[in-house]
Amino acid sequence: KAGVTQTPRYLIKTRGQQVTLSCSPISGHRSVSWYQQTPGQGLQFLFEYFSETQRNKGNFPGRFSGRQFSNSRSEMNVSTLELGDSALYLCASSFGGMGNSPLHFGNGTRLTVT
Amino acid sequence: DQQVKQNSPSLSVQEGRISILNCDYTNSMFDYFLWYKKYPAEGPTFLISISSIKDKNEDGRFTVFLNKSAKHLSLHIVPSQPGDSAVYFCAASGDNDMRFGAGTRLTVKP
Repeated sequence: KAGVTQTPRYLIKTRGQQVTLSCSPISGHRSVSWYQQTPGQGLQFLFEYFSETQRNKGNFPGRFSGRQFSNSRSEMNVSTLELGDSALYLCASSFGGMGNSPLHFGNGTRLTVT
Repeated sequence: DQQVKQNSPSLSVQEGRISILNCDYTNSMFDYFLWYKKYPAEGPTFLISISSIKDKNEDGRFTVFLNKSAKHLSLHIVPSQPGDSAVYFCAASGDNDMRFGAGTRLTVKP
């Protein structure tokens, strides 16, 4: 069974630009959640999608948005990039949702904002 | 605010001995707890979980203990192996939220 796939692995963007990250979940998993990992803040929850609907949302500004498609693939968009958005972005899929079943993480997208 | 805390940033243990990693939480609405292991350049890997209706869950060398009154959980690894060397994150979910601890770097020395 293929694991969670995130693309691209690395991205370099300039302040003010926008970026879209992609996540393909494990087959059969309907929940996809996104996380930001930084050395200072650790791993922080961004949002969760389940069957194309945003189910939960963390404490991030509206510049961070996402969506989920009918095949459960998900994208995350960050607009008007700031230097502080430089981080490792992880997505995770689960069968029953993040509150009910274990998360299976991808290897992340490393975003650098210059 | 740090609703999930791992107060030990690092832990060093001899091969064959027990490793005990600790985690504290503050939100009494959390009802599902997990431990993840992370190697460099990889995403976290699920290790073991426990729901709030239990106080212990065991899977091979890994055992998670939950003390709800103290809002504390711990992960025991027995016996520890050099391949266990990694960063371990505890996580808590509930109340439509998911929180992670900052991680503990475990080093198992041969």
